[in-house]
Amino acid sequence: GAGVSQSPSNKVTEKGKDVELRCDPISGHTALYWYRQSLGQGLEFLIYFQGNSAPDKSGLPSDRFSAERTGGSVSTLTIQRTQQEDSAVYLCASSSGVAGGPRGTGELFFGEGSRLTVL
Amino acid sequence: DAKTTQPPSMDCAEGRAANLPCNHSTISGNEYVYWYRQIHSQGPQYIIHGLKNNETNEMASLIITEDRKSSTLILPHATLRDTAVYYCIVRVNNYGQNFVFGPGTRLSVLP
Repeated sequence: GAGVSQSPSNKVTEKGKDVELRCDPISGHTALYWYRQSLGQGLEFLIYFQGNSAPDKSGLPSDRFSAERTGGSVSTLTIQRTQQEDSAVYLCASSSGVAGGPRGTGELFFGEGSRLTVL
Repeated sequence: DAKTTQPPSMDCAEGRAANLPCNHSTISGNEYVYWYRQIHSQGPQYIIHGLKNNETNEMASLIITEDRKSSTLILPHATLRDTAVYYCIVRVNNYGQNFVFGPGTRLSVLP
C-alpha cells in the first residue's frame, strides 16, 4: 500500500484477554517502530525493528508485551493479560533509510494507529 | 529522555507566521534536528529536518543557530489546519537510533 497500515483501527477488550495489533509498513522500509500514546499524553517508545531483529526493546513496559516481525515486513504487537492501563493508541511507523543517506531522509511515516480500550 | 525543550503551548493568528522554538543545548555533532507535528487523532507527520544549514520545503522553514544549540520552525502563513502539537527531536544519523518524542508545543492558530 501507499502508507503504513494498522489493524484493527479500534479494539475493545476485557481485562485479562490477549490482543494482537498488526502493522504493515511501507513496502521496502527496513526500519519499523512501535509507540503508544495514552489519552492526552505524548508518544512513548516501545520497540524498534531493523529488518526482523529488534535491537532496541527498551520501551516495552512489561513482559506482557512482545512484538515480532517476519519477512522484514509485517509486525505484530501482542499484549497478554491486558490491564486497564494498557488502554491507549498504539502507533506504528516505518522508515526507509538514514538522514543524508542515499536511500531516504530517515523520516518516519506513521500509520493512523490502533485504539485499544481495556474494560 | 528527550534531548529537547519546547514551550508547552503557543498561539498564532491565522495568516501570520508561526515561529516555534526548540532548545537542544546538548546536541552532538552528528545529530540531526527533526520536526514532526500531530494533528488531533492522527499519526505524527514529518515536517522537515536539518543538520546545520537552514532548510526550507513546501511546509516550513527550519532555522538552526550557528552553535546548533537551538532551532526555530517557521510556518510562514499559518492556517487553522496548522493547529497541532509540534515535536522537535534530535537524533543520530544511523539505523540504531530511536526517535524520542517529548511533550512538544501545542500550537493554536486563531481566526
